[in-house]
Amino acid sequence: AQKVTQAQTEISVVEKEDVTLDCVYETRDTTYYLFWYKQPPSGELVFLIRRNSFDEQNEISGRYSWNFQKSTSSFNFTITASQVVDSAVYFCALSEANYGQNFVFGPGTRLSVLP
Amino acid sequence: DAMVIQNPRYQVTQFGKPVTLSCSQTLNHNVMYWYQQKSSQAPKLLFHYYDKDFNNEADTPDNFQSRRPNTSFCFLDIRSPGLGDAAMYLCATSRDYLRFVGGQKQADQPQHFGDGTRLSIL
Repeated sequence: AQKVTQAQTEISVVEKEDVTLDCVYETRDTTYYLFWYKQPPSGELVFLIRRNSFDEQNEISGRYSWNFQKSTSSFNFTITASQVVDSAVYFCALSEANYGQNFVFGPGTRLSVLP
Repeated sequence: DAMVIQNPRYQVTQFGKPVTLSCSQTLNHNVMYWYQQKSSQAPKLLFHYYDKDFNNEADTPDNFQSRRPNTSFCFLDIRSPGLGDAAMYLCATSRDYLRFVGGQKQADQPQHFGDGTRLSIL
């Protein structure tokens, strides 16, 4: 069965610090997608990124960057120069192509950015 | 402008009294999802519609039903809410299914979420 682990339950940083949110996944499928979502205190989930299993190229979008490493089954998310508005719960998720139709969220990491 | 709209934002119902949550979308997306999210937990998929085709998750209780009368609207019906059904209910949409080599289809990830309806049970 597919599984997503986010070992960090809560992280607190001071504004302008860099912070990395860890995501480790398990799958027996060779074709799969990985995702990150942000859920601010207001409650709505915001889609951030989708990465397929054949594309290990790291991605940068403004202050956000993602490091996909198939060798360690990890898809980590880094926020550079964090801001108070980055405070939210961040979910990593996995979707398999062949062995499961489910889209599975990890348990989430609550990030608090303090002024 | 909101693209996935959930009404109401907060819903209170009595134990055992049927309740319906509403979701509408202006995106004309084919796929609509319902998730249940309990406090401090990840969202859990209940079911999804691809157009009019209903896809139930294996562990979704029978107490939960859904209707999609047209592309824009999807409803979540809880027939006899119990205390354990108190949660945030999230509606989401995606344009279409992903397609992989070999023609095997899989639902695309939910792309647009509504603000959710927080359901309380008295």
